[in-house]
Amino acid sequence: ELKVEQNPLFLSMQEGKNYTIYCNYSTTSDRLYWYRQDPGKSLESLFVLLSNGAVKQEGRLMASLDTKARLSTLHITAAVHDLSATYFCAVDSPSGGGADGLTFGKGTHLIIQP
Amino acid sequence: DAGVTQSPTHLIKTRGQQVTLRCSPKSGHDTVSWYQQALGQGPQFIFQYYEEEERQRGNFPDRFSGHQFPNYSSELNVNALLLGDSALYLCASSGSSAGYEQYFGPGTRLTVT
Repeated sequence: ELKVEQNPLFLSMQEGKNYTIYCNYSTTSDRLYWYRQDPGKSLESLFVLLSNGAVKQEGRLMASLDTKARLSTLHITAAVHDLSATYFCAVDSPSGGGADGLTFGKGTHLIIQP
Repeated sequence: DAGVTQSPTHLIKTRGQQVTLRCSPKSGHDTVSWYQQALGQGPQFIFQYYEEEERQRGNFPDRFSGHQFPNYSSELNVNALLLGDSALYLCASSGSSAGYEQYFGPGTRLTVT
């Protein structure tokens, strides 16, 4: 059974600081996703990581993937209040080729304070 | 280009009743997946439909069933509702043309009383 673990589950940080969210998964997977969810809203796709060593950046967010360690990180640089949200990582099954249901972590609830 | 749409937005049902939720995929997508997200939790995969058939299923009881129509839209049916079925139900669409990336709809908030 594929398992996805995120840590921390809750993070309160100050504006301007840097921090990293970690996502570990239990078995080989074809791809890893990062999503953002605002309260009461749906999921917004942030990044899709397809191969070992993949790194993607958008604004103050940068995601990376190490398939050998089965680890992805989401790094936040110089955090601003607008980044407050819950962040999920998700992976698809090893045999899915990207066409399967996703397994999600429990999410990291991020609060950025002035 | 319309994204993934879901209806209704909110729904309140009583224990034991049945409910049907609807989803229209993003244009060009042929695959629909359904997820259940309980409060404070990550989404859990219910099942996926492709070519009008259930292609993959998560760990959900038979009370949860679905359907996909020729226009790729989909329904999720839940019978004999339990209080624990209260959740946000998310539909995601995908397709080979989009590299199978899943795009999520706004969700249906189901409350069972």
